[in-house]
Amino acid sequence: DAEITQSPRHKITETGRQVTLACHQTWNHNNMFWYRQDLGHGLRLIHYSYGVHDTNKGEVSDGYSVSRSNTEDLPLTLESAASSQTSVYFCASSHPGQGADTQYFGPGTRLTVL
Amino acid sequence: KQEVTQIPAALSVPEGENLVLNCSFTDSAIYNLQWFRQDPGKGLTSLLLIQSSQREQTSGRLNASLDKSSGRSTLYIAASQPGDSATYLCAVTVGNEKLTFGTGTRLTIIP
Repeated sequence: DAEITQSPRHKITETGRQVTLACHQTWNHNNMFWYRQDLGHGLRLIHYSYGVHDTNKGEVSDGYSVSRSNTEDLPLTLESAASSQTSVYFCASSHPGQGADTQYFGPGTRLTVL
Repeated sequence: KQEVTQIPAALSVPEGENLVLNCSFTDSAIYNLQWFRQDPGKGLTSLLLIQSSQREQTSGRLNASLDKSSGRSTLYIAASQPGDSATYLCAVTVGNEKLTFGTGTRLTIIP
């Protein structure tokens, strides 16, 4: 069955370190998204991509970057981790079509920055 | 800027009761509205998707309505069960297929 996976599921790191969170989907979806979920804020969009080599900034993109070298993967990099980036991170994908289809979410990565 | 609000933040009801969760949004220029379910420590599962041209969608014991002009949606759950306990999130799709989420309602069904 097609799916979307995230790794690692849990990560503890130190302030200032570079961290990369992986997202892999097997639906062959063009659209991929990264969100962070924090208490009181719901899910907020970090970065998104509509296809290979396409990346766009979301609502809370500062301190994060993404690259899209193939259809299946959209890794999220924290260049220099900060305590404010402690959060749960969700990756999602969807088929293009002006919102006709839902987004499919991965299980999440819980990141703690000490 | 689109804002999505869900009230109440938490709700507890006895098993077997019917219940309604509310969602409101500030900009009616949406492509669709979705209701998701999130279990503790898990990802989001889509429950219902209502296109902007539709008024409601049904799936089993769930019924979602959409009133775009007033910026409101409701999720009706019939004959609630303990397994319905979860956080329910609504989200609207705006331009460029991006989702804007509400902060969710944490539902507890009391056996």
